[in-house]
Amino acid sequence: AQSVSQHNHHVILSEAASLELGCNYSYGGTVNLFWYVQYPGQHLQLLLKYFSGDPLVKGIKGFEAEFIKSKFSFNLRKPSVQWSDTAEYFCAVNARYGGSQGNLIFGKGTKLSVKP
Amino acid sequence: EAQVTQNPRYLITVTGKKLTVTCSQNMNHEYMSWYRQDPGLGLRQIYYSMNVEVTDKGDVPEGYKVSRKEKRNFPLILESPSPNQTSLYFCASSDRGLAGYTFGSGTRLTVV
Repeated sequence: AQSVSQHNHHVILSEAASLELGCNYSYGGTVNLFWYVQYPGQHLQLLLKYFSGDPLVKGIKGFEAEFIKSKFSFNLRKPSVQWSDTAEYFCAVNARYGGSQGNLIFGKGTKLSVKP
Repeated sequence: EAQVTQNPRYLITVTGKKLTVTCSQNMNHEYMSWYRQDPGLGLRQIYYSMNVEVTDKGDVPEGYKVSRKEKRNFPLILESPSPNQTSLYFCASSDRGLAGYTFGSGTRLTVV
């Protein structure tokens, strides 16, 4: 069965600090990978996604993520965070092929608090 | 505007009283899904549907039912709600598995 692990429950940074949030997945086949963001009181929005090709993907708001197949990882990065990045971040994975593509599995999330 | 619409946004109900949370999307998406979000547990998938009349269980289907009679609608039914179903529920849709899901605004359900 698929599973997603996010290593940090809560990360606290000062503005302009660099961010890296860890995500590891477990799945025996080829996967699609996603990062979502949830601002306080809001629904989830897609930050970026990886299907194939260049393992370094760029998303919205200056975020990027790197897929490292050998480590089953898809870590999210941002060189310089802003107070407005305060939110909860979720990593997610689904199978690329087969009848369970609709089965998108999420990690438990990482809360990011950015101090002004 | 392309969107996923859930109703109601907030609902307080009593144990055992059947309820339905509606979900509708206007993007002609094939895939639809229901999640519940609980503190410390992230989002857990309840049911998903890959097309009309095709549904499958997610990770936490117990106590829930769904139906997909039309492409745009995917209601979530709680036949006999219990307090452990108090949660924030999200409906989502996708045109296919590669695109990721677009989420609705959520339904906060309290069962007393």
